Amino acid sequence: NAGVTQTPKFQVLKTGQSMTLQCAQDMNHEYMSWYRQDPGMGLRLIHYSVGAGITDQGEVPNGYNVSRSTTEDFPLRLLSAAPSQTSVYFCASSYSSGLAGFTDTQYFGPGTRLTVL
Amino acid sequence: TQLLEQSPQFLSIQEGENLTVYCNSSSVFSSLQWYRQEPGEGPVLLVTVVTGGEVKKLKRLTFQFGDARKDSSLHITAAQTGDTGLYLCAVKNNFNKFYFGSGTKLNVKP
Repeated sequence: NAGVTQTPKFQVLKTGQSMTLQCAQDMNHEYMSWYRQDPGMGLRLIHYSVGAGITDQGEVPNGYNVSRSTTEDFPLRLLSAAPSQTSVYFCASSYSSGLAGFTDTQYFGPGTRLTVL
Repeated sequence: TQLLEQSPQFLSIQEGENLTVYCNSSSVFSSLQWYRQEPGEGPVLLVTVVTGGEVKKLKRLTFQFGDARKDSSLHITAAQTGDTGLYLCAVKNNFNKFYFGSGTKLNVKP
């Protein structure tokens, strides 16, 4: 059971380049999400998905695209990288217990450290 | 303005000391989570509190959810160097969006 995996671990891009951050989970979780973490800002939600074929915007979606064609995979695309997108990116997944008012455990990947020059 | 305000932002203490960190909001939540994040890794869930006034204990860590379900505290008794890390509180709204506080960075010195 690998849990949540992310690739690559490190990436350096030039302004204007595009790339895809990969995220996969083997726990059959319905909910998957992408966050970025900047110093002093905690984690901010970029996009999330409650199941295959369903995605929605989080708190800071501009400049990022996602798709969810399978339960396992949730890639994050940077369309035209900007220095403001320099950050650490975390993918997470969780099982939806369906319990009213209960927030299910999120399992996080190890992160991708992205630098945009 | 952040939905969840955490304080203090930084805390540096000696091993064996006690400490309390806080997570505050003006909004009411059905549940609240605490995560710990170590350098170079993703956050790991410590606890979920769901009932106003609830107290949960995890070894030397005591978590409390405020009576009005707007705030929470984490108390660590006799801190150890292994407690060093970033402590984050988090909530999920009715639209499946998670919000995290900015965190308290704890350094426990030997």
